[in-house]
Amino acid sequence: GQNIDQPTEMTATEGAIVQINCTYQTSGFNGLFWYQQHAGEAPTFLSYNVLDGLEEKGRFSSFLSRSKGYSYLLLKELQMKDSASYLCAVRVNQAGTALIFGKGTTLSVSS
Amino acid sequence: DGGITQSPKYLFRKEGQNVTLSCEQNLNHDAMYWYRQDPGQGLRLIYYSQIVNDFQKGDIAEGYSVSREKKESFPLTVTSAQKNPTAFYLCASSITNSGNTIYFGEGSWLTVV
Repeated sequence: GQNIDQPTEMTATEGAIVQINCTYQTSGFNGLFWYQQHAGEAPTFLSYNVLDGLEEKGRFSSFLSRSKGYSYLLLKELQMKDSASYLCAVRVNQAGTALIFGKGTTLSVSS
Repeated sequence: DGGITQSPKYLFRKEGQNVTLSCEQNLNHDAMYWYRQDPGQGLRLIYYSQIVNDFQKGDIAEGYSVSREKKESFPLTVTSAQKNPTAFYLCASSITNSGNTIYFGEGSWLTVV
């Protein structure tokens, strides 16, 4: 079976840094993705990791350790508009190019 | 503009009725997907198709059916056999290179009344 775990909720203040963790146990691994989803809207792509290490893209960074089945999304200089759900998703060989998603982490940013 | 179009945005269905959700993409993507989203459940895979005239069941295919007669179209039928169909439905597409992300349509809200 496939299992992807994320914290359900997190809170932070404007200007701070927050780290959202994701652990996975899957049959096969072919990449890990992070998406952002505002309430009632479609998810939008944030980052992709397939090799171990850190990928940086502006205020957002994502890290992967395949041996530990672990990833995190790091958000810097938080803004109010970063209040959203953050979805961790894994591509597994058994589902073609489909992604298997965790339940998402709802981040609330306050002033 | 290139993208994925889902229709209708909002749909109400009476119990016992089948309903079909449309998904069209003009991105020339080979692969298409349907996900369902319930509060607190994340996105769950219903069906996916890697190529025209072929599709595979995802984790929660029971009570749903799909077809893939054209590359750009992947309609989802929610049948009366689906016991709890009220949800947010998301269609997505991608090229079949494993390193590429999938892109989502705007979603369809289905409510059973």
